[in-house]
Amino acid sequence: AQSVTQPDIHITVSEGASLELRCNYSYGATPYLFWYVQSPGQGLQLLLKYFSGDTLVQGIKGFEAEFKRSQSSFNLRKPSVHWSDAAEYFCAVGHAGTASKLTFGTGTRLQVTL
Amino acid sequence: SAVISQKPSRDICQRGTSLTIQCQVDSQVTMMFWYRQQPGQSLTLIATANQGSEATYESGFVIDKFPISRPNLTFSTLTVSNMSPEDSSIYLCSVDLAKGSYGYTFGSGTRLTVV
Repeated sequence: AQSVTQPDIHITVSEGASLELRCNYSYGATPYLFWYVQSPGQGLQLLLKYFSGDTLVQGIKGFEAEFKRSQSSFNLRKPSVHWSDAAEYFCAVGHAGTASKLTFGTGTRLQVTL
Repeated sequence: SAVISQKPSRDICQRGTSLTIQCQVDSQVTMMFWYRQQPGQSLTLIATANQGSEATYESGFVIDKFPISRPNLTFSTLTVSNMSPEDSSIYLCSVDLAKGSYGYTFGSGTRLTVV
C-alpha cells in the first residue's frame, strides 16, 4: 500500500528566508504526487502536482518541487518565504488507476516570523 | 478547474443525531471522493462515489455510519449517522475531473462539532 511521510511536523522560518518541506513516499509504481496548502479555517488548495516528465515542477505562489525517484522524495521549496505562506502543507500520493484518490501525509505546519 | 460548493460550512449537532452534507460541482465529474480531517490530523479517505453505483468505502468506514448518495454527475451527499463526539471533524469532498486535465479540487469543507 502506498504511504506518505512528512518528517517535519512544524517548521519555523523567517520571512525572506528559503524554505524546503520534506516529503517521502512509498509506492510500487510511478507515483502521482501532489502538494496542497491549507490556511487556517480554509479548504485545501493545490500548489503543484507531478505525473511524469520534467522532475522539477513549478506551482503557484512561487513554489516548486522536485521529484527524485532514487530517494523516493518530492520536496517542496520556495526561495523566499512571505508571511502569508504560514499554513499547513500536505504532501499526497495518488493511487494507481485513480490518481484523484489520494493518500495524504500528516502535514507540516509552517510558521513565518517577521 | 471545477468549482465545488459544500453545505453546510459548519454545524453543531447533538450526539445521536445525523447530518447530511451536500457537495455540488459546477461540471460533470466521474468520481467524487469524501475525506475526513479529524482535529489536528491529516485527511483520510472515507469513500469513493460513482454515479449509478454504490460507494466504495475504505477500511474503517462503513455504509451504515456514512451512507453516501450520488444521484447524478454533479452532486453527492455524505451522511454522518448516529453521531458521537468522535465524529467531530472537517468533512471534505473532492472530484476527479476528466482525464487529461488532472485537476484535483476540494470543497471548502464542513466543520462538524458533535456535543
